Amino acid sequence: DTAVSQTPKYLVTQMGNDKSIKCEQNLGHDTMYWYKQDSKKFLKIMFSYNNKELIINETVPNRFSPKSPDKAHLNLHINSLELGDSAVYFCASSQDLLAGAPDTQYFGPGTRLTVL
Amino acid sequence: GQNIDQPTEMTATEGAIVQINCTYQTSGFNGLFWYQQHAGEAPTFLSYNVLDGLEEKGRFSSFLSRSKGYSYLLLKELQMKDSASYLCAVRDPSRGYSSASKIIFGSGTRLSIRP
Repeated sequence: DTAVSQTPKYLVTQMGNDKSIKCEQNLGHDTMYWYKQDSKKFLKIMFSYNNKELIINETVPNRFSPKSPDKAHLNLHINSLELGDSAVYFCASSQDLLAGAPDTQYFGPGTRLTVL
Repeated sequence: GQNIDQPTEMTATEGAIVQINCTYQTSGFNGLFWYQQHAGEAPTFLSYNVLDGLEEKGRFSSFLSRSKGYSYLLLKELQMKDSASYLCAVRDPSRGYSSASKIIFGSGTRLSIRP
């Protein structure tokens, strides 16, 4: 059973198009995240949702819009794609921080987005 | 500001020991993680330190000194499969809710193991 799954794994599209990436976790976690990993391998957080509520929204262009229909799903919609959006996008989830237990993040396999 | 520094690349020999250092400057601190990421794959959790000292887990150990803003990951008895990037990540509670405050990742250290 896959803990955190993302679709699609690869996405190649033209500039200006609109695309979505889906993420689902079956771990029962309360918090989900979207990260962007660029060619230099920096993993930067974009958004975080806790129980369907947006709690972290980094300085991300408003062309990026996350949607959480329930706490097991966090989708990412991108409008008007640009060349600079090309990267690997990782979804992750974690349980809330508890005493003595770190809020370890479990990552999905990633979606490699290429904008032509 | 916030900064996490790690060496970009390291090389070590199979069977040897390697230490990957991480220094951080953040507004707040509430835990440090090490993740392993093989090429083309997702990061996976290795270790977590919140108090000073050494945490040992099999061939991997992680050390933390909060006063120095310093951590290291020690890998013993290196195997070829240990060739990967190792990401240091710090939880900074000043940047969000306590339970889901932002975790800031370093750029990672790419470790190559030679036979």
